[in-house]
Amino acid sequence: QSVLTQPPSVSGAPGQRVTISCTGSSSNIGAPNAVHWYQQLPGAAPKLLIYGSNNRPSGVPDRFSGSKSGTSASLAISGLQAEDEADYYCQSYDNSLSSSVFGGGTKLTVL
Amino acid sequence: QVQLQGSGPGLVRPSQTLSLTCTVSGDSISSGSYFWTWLRQPAGKGLEWIGRIYASGSTNYNPSLKSRVTMSVDTSKNQFSLNLISVTAADTAVYFCARGGPYSFRDWFDPWGQGTLVTVSS
Repeated sequence: QSVLTQPPSVSGAPGQRVTISCTGSSSNIGAPNAVHWYQQLPGAAPKLLIYGSNNRPSGVPDRFSGSKSGTSASLAISGLQAEDEADYYCQSYDNSLSSSVFGGGTKLTVL
Repeated sequence: QVQLQGSGPGLVRPSQTLSLTCTVSGDSISSGSYFWTWLRQPAGKGLEWIGRIYASGSTNYNPSLKSRVTMSVDTSKNQFSLNLISVTAADTAVYFCARGGPYSFRDWFDPWGQGTLVTVSS
């Protein structure tokens, strides 16, 4: 199982807002270490979506936002679009493992 | 813009060595404080960090794979490589190379290579 815990799936209708949680521990997110988020479309490589817990790389729509509190983080997607249907992964660093660690991924379905 | 392109055999026999190379274009592998990373993803599963290497040759590996992994860098070719010895079917995955940084080993990975499917089978 993954060091960071994400829900296996979330869904929402077009235009709605969804959130994806990422739960860690005091050795990673709560250390505190930043959380980064990736979007992986089917058959493609992951793409950086959020870095440093709440920063968007240029080109990423402001519909995507990140937050962090304590040992957890969240990715929010507002104004859902069909093109947002993908797998989403959170990533942080674990001080005890001395490793970058990922969540198990969350599949977003746009209804 | 920086691009990464992974390459290597798509089929490796059990107990043999998996060898992959990542070629970086659009930036020098020696520039800045970036590090260069390998990750993998078994079919239908999540992402696993394998390790990282700096232009200096300094490395850090995932403890779960450390005994079997070696990474190297060739700054003259702007490439870095992964060797994984004694492979089994459990090592079958898509292998990604990526750039990490730019501030710390706790940083994010961006960009990523397209991924190389490696199947371990006799």
